[in-house]
Amino acid sequence: EAQVTQNPRYLITVTGKKLTVTCSQNMNHEYMSWYRQDPGLGLRQIYYSMNVEVTDKGDVPEGYKVSRKEKRNFPLILESPSPNQTSLYFCASSLSPGQGNTEAFFGQGTRLTVV
Amino acid sequence: GDSVTQMEGPVTLSEEAFLTINCTYTATGYPSLFWYVQYPGEGLQLLLKATKADDKGSNKGFEATYRKETTSFHLEKGSVQVSDSAVYFCARGPNFGNEKLTFGTGTRLTIIP
Repeated sequence: EAQVTQNPRYLITVTGKKLTVTCSQNMNHEYMSWYRQDPGLGLRQIYYSMNVEVTDKGDVPEGYKVSRKEKRNFPLILESPSPNQTSLYFCASSLSPGQGNTEAFFGQGTRLTVV
Repeated sequence: GDSVTQMEGPVTLSEEAFLTINCTYTATGYPSLFWYVQYPGEGLQLLLKATKADDKGSNKGFEATYRKETTSFHLEKGSVQVSDSAVYFCARGPNFGNEKLTFGTGTRLTIIP
């Protein structure tokens, strides 16, 4: 079954404690991205990756890091989380935008609370 | 800059009512347009899409037509059901170097029996 898998689904952590949210896709997609969803703001892109070892900032990259060492995995790293990073996070993957089919497949989301 | 503007919510309707959720976009060219739906506790999933002007996307009784004259992609359904309660996102595809999907802010729809 084609899917994007994120872990964990729920996470409560304390300010400053490094954390990683994992994301894996099984569709051999080149393009992967991370979004955060906040009330009244919709989805905002944090980082994206066009392919292995190619990553770039989205609209709200501050406080986040990503890596793309393998095609299927795209972890999101918060080196020193702060309360303003409390949000619902989604990983998504798709074929390369240049191929014309940009339908994105989303993971189930990670609800992060930083206290 | 490029953006997607959709109808503010929340929207509450009775079962079998007619639904319209407005969406307009700005773009340099003619990007693909999408509606995604997010059911409670789940991620977003594609509801329908249109890839060129005058295309009509449809799925599960929902429809949206790509109108380049009015730069709109309004979502409609003739008779909503309780199971349609969800958050709906309009999105615009990549456009002239802007490679990402651009989402509207989402519209929460609640259908009451």
